Amino acid sequence: NAGVTQTPKFQVLKTGQSMTLQCAQDMNHNSMYWYRQDPGMGLRLIYYSASEGTTDKGEVPNGYNVSRLNKREFSLRLESAAPSQTSVYFCASSDTGTVNYGSGYTFGSGTRLTVV
Amino acid sequence: DQQVKQNSPSLSVQEGRISILNCDYTNSMFDYFLWYKKYPAEGPTFLISISSIKDKNEDGRFTVFLNKSAKHLSLHIVPSQPGDSAVYFCAASDLNYGQNFVFGPGTRLSVLP
Repeated sequence: NAGVTQTPKFQVLKTGQSMTLQCAQDMNHNSMYWYRQDPGMGLRLIYYSASEGTTDKGEVPNGYNVSRLNKREFSLRLESAAPSQTSVYFCASSDTGTVNYGSGYTFGSGTRLTVV
Repeated sequence: DQQVKQNSPSLSVQEGRISILNCDYTNSMFDYFLWYKKYPAEGPTFLISISSIKDKNEDGRFTVFLNKSAKHLSLHIVPSQPGDSAVYFCAASDLNYGQNFVFGPGTRLSVLP
């Protein structure tokens, strides 16, 4: 099925460990995003990539890095995981331009990360 | 300070009745609004949108109303069905500035049979 695929679905890390969350979309979207969801906080933007070759910080970028590997793939890396990074992470993609924001973003199913 | 607020964390409604979910925003530059629905263990899925040039948009059982002067929008679901039980997120964007959407904290809707 077309859409956004995230891996892994679940992960438990020890404090200080590193990991990369993978995201791929097959809708030929230009823009990709990483959000985290915490109780009572909604979805907060970590990083985004408006187009291949560009990345920008969102609302909560500290402790994360991203790579826009190609048009399809956008990865999120935690270099030294902290308990405060325990969250559910969502990758999303969208068309850019001024004519097709009818549905906003298409989201992946999420990665549930626990840092102990 | 949250730019998009959903002040009701949860809402319970009887099947067949109307569900009204509210959303308030503080940034007067926001000109495009979305509602997403999220089931457990799934990503949010798009439900309905509205542009600031309109005050109402309908799609089947779902209607979104926008009151720009009050910086308030609401999602009406009529009639509510048990399958509508989910978390609903309101999101807003200033499309002149970019396409990044700001999300509210969500409202958990429970439709009781």
